[in-house]
Amino acid sequence: GAVVSQHPSRVICKSGTSVKIECRSLDFQATTMFWYRQFPKQSLMLMATSNEGSKATYEQGVEKDKFLINHASLTLSTLTVTSAHPEDSSFYICSKRDSLTDTQYFGPGTRLTVL
Amino acid sequence: EDQVTQSPEALRLQEGESSSLNCSYTVSGLRGLFWYRQDPGKGPEFLFTLYSAGEEKEKERLKATLTKKESFLHITAPKPEDSATYLCAVQAAQGAQKLVFGQGTRLTINP
Repeated sequence: GAVVSQHPSRVICKSGTSVKIECRSLDFQATTMFWYRQFPKQSLMLMATSNEGSKATYEQGVEKDKFLINHASLTLSTLTVTSAHPEDSSFYICSKRDSLTDTQYFGPGTRLTVL
Repeated sequence: EDQVTQSPEALRLQEGESSSLNCSYTVSGLRGLFWYRQDPGKGPEFLFTLYSAGEEKEKERLKATLTKKESFLHITAPKPEDSATYLCAVQAAQGAQKLVFGQGTRLTINP
């Protein structure tokens, strides 16, 4: 299947700091990438759709000024959690979409812990 | 509103004991239904994409089927390494390209 990497895999930060998570497509170019959040024992919740060269589309209830998304190239999208608080602690997962099959391929995830 | 419901929430089987997981959906025109496997602490791993009622796909001990209202993931003679959470998701034909996920079924295969 398609290959997606995320960095870092795990990060611990202090409350009030900002954290950047990178999502890379290692095989084919991805004009569209997605960012999800997953809380323990729960399913994936879409946060935003990242479009290369344009602004991200955020889901209802997701603060765009808090979760900054940049998709500057066809292989890289970044999610920056600004002024992180303990309630932002979660598992963040990115995905890319194969436009031929509509299938999304997911990265390994980033575990964020805010102290 | 597009919705996906998976059942059961959790399932324990003995090694070799076949069973099925259910994914019921309501969507305003189905573009695709997707099955993923997720291990603890990892991202979902793609299994199958189904596009139309009557379609079936197989991979090793897994077989996915699709009707106009639900999909089944059949597991034949499972092994302990099949233990994982299985996620079902749908994409609507109209509008955004996003997936709507079910809550998942936690499958445990005991040796």
